[in-house]
Amino acid sequence: AQTVTQSQPEMSVQEAETVTLSCTYDTSESNYYLFWYKQPPSRQMILVIRQEAYKQQNATENRFSVNFQKAAKSFSLKISDSQLGDTAMYFCAFMSFYGNKLVFGAGTILRVKS
Amino acid sequence: DGGITQSPKYLFRKEGQNVTLSCEQNLNHDAMYWYRQDPGQGLRLIYYSQIVNDFQKGDIAEGYSVSREKKESFPLTVTSAQKNPTAFYLCASSPDRLSNQPQHFGDGTRLSIL
Repeated sequence: AQTVTQSQPEMSVQEAETVTLSCTYDTSESNYYLFWYKQPPSRQMILVIRQEAYKQQNATENRFSVNFQKAAKSFSLKISDSQLGDTAMYFCAFMSFYGNKLVFGAGTILRVKS
Repeated sequence: DGGITQSPKYLFRKEGQNVTLSCEQNLNHDAMYWYRQDPGQGLRLIYYSQIVNDFQKGDIAEGYSVSREKKESFPLTVTSAQKNPTAFYLCASSPDRLSNQPQHFGDGTRLSIL
């Protein structure tokens, strides 16, 4: 069974600075998908970014980018120019290539300070 | 706008009572999911359905039941057999079981014990 580990329960960053959230996962599959979801205080789950394991190029989405290291089974999220609205719980998630069930990590609370 | 509607936003259950959480989507998605979120933990899959009139147990199905009589609707019943039902419940959907597209989430229902 796949597992996802987020080793940082809480992090904080100053507004306009850059922060990196860590995620590691365990799987025996060679093709799969990885996601970062954001859950602000409103509790709504919002997709931040998605990475296909068969693509070597790291995904980017505006201020959000990932560092995908397939051999190390690592999938970190970098947030540049942090904004107060980035304050949220961030979840890393894994999906098998031939399935559609998401396996979530425990989450990292990110606080952006002014 | 298309989306997922969960109701009610807050729900209280008495001991020995069954309660039903509603989830409706107008995204024309085939697959639907129910997750449970406890404080300090990631989302855990309760049940999922890939097509009308079919559903499968997730990782923590004991004490819960679902039905999928219509494509748009996937209600979750928390039965009296679920001894620790206090949690935040999230419903999600995705286009189909083969597309591996990201899941879209509703705004959640918070269930508490009276």
